[in-house]
Amino acid sequence: GQNIDQPTEMTATEGAIVQINCTYQTSGFNGLFWYQQHAGEAPTFLSYNVLDGLEEKGRFSSFLSRSKGYSYLLLKELQMKDSASYLCAVMDSNYQLIWGAGTKLIIKP
Amino acid sequence: IAGITQAPTSQILAAGRRMTLRCTQDMRHNAMYWYRQDLGLGLRLIHYSNTAGTTGKGEVPDGYSVSRANTDDFPLTLASAVPSQTSVYFCASSDSGGSPYNEQFFGPGTRLTVL
Repeated sequence: GQNIDQPTEMTATEGAIVQINCTYQTSGFNGLFWYQQHAGEAPTFLSYNVLDGLEEKGRFSSFLSRSKGYSYLLLKELQMKDSASYLCAVMDSNYQLIWGAGTKLIIKP
Repeated sequence: IAGITQAPTSQILAAGRRMTLRCTQDMRHNAMYWYRQDLGLGLRLIHYSNTAGTTGKGEVPDGYSVSRANTDDFPLTLASAVPSQTSVYFCASSDSGGSPYNEQFFGPGTRLTVL
């Protein structure tokens, strides 16, 4: 079966760095996406990785290792507005997104 | 209209009733999707359409139907609602289905409660 695993909840301090991990087992791989979802709102796109390595975009970076079926999202200089759920999704061989349940990130002052 | 709109925002529905959730996008995207989001579970794909005139089944299609008469609209119909269909429903679109790297853009969601 297809499976995306990520921690249910994480807590971090304002100004700090946090790493959210995602492991996956899917039928085929056509890239991995990270989305941000604030409570009561729609998911919004953060990043896409299809090759191994690190993609940096401002305070957010995303890493992929295809051989390990592993990705992480790194958030630096945390701000209170970063409190949200972070969703990991893998595009499978049918070009459909398989979604993890999301990681709720709580930022404390 | 800018992006994707969904209607209604929320709805309480009696079991057994028929309900259509509306979705419209103005980005001229070829592909559109319907997901449901339940607490503790990831987004689950109900139905999708890679282009106007075609539709496909996702992971959880039972009890739902869709149509794609044109590029902009992708309504989702519950023929006879049941309490297990209580969920938040998101419509999404992307530039092209069936190919890698296509960021999906999401509508604001419809919160549906079936009693």
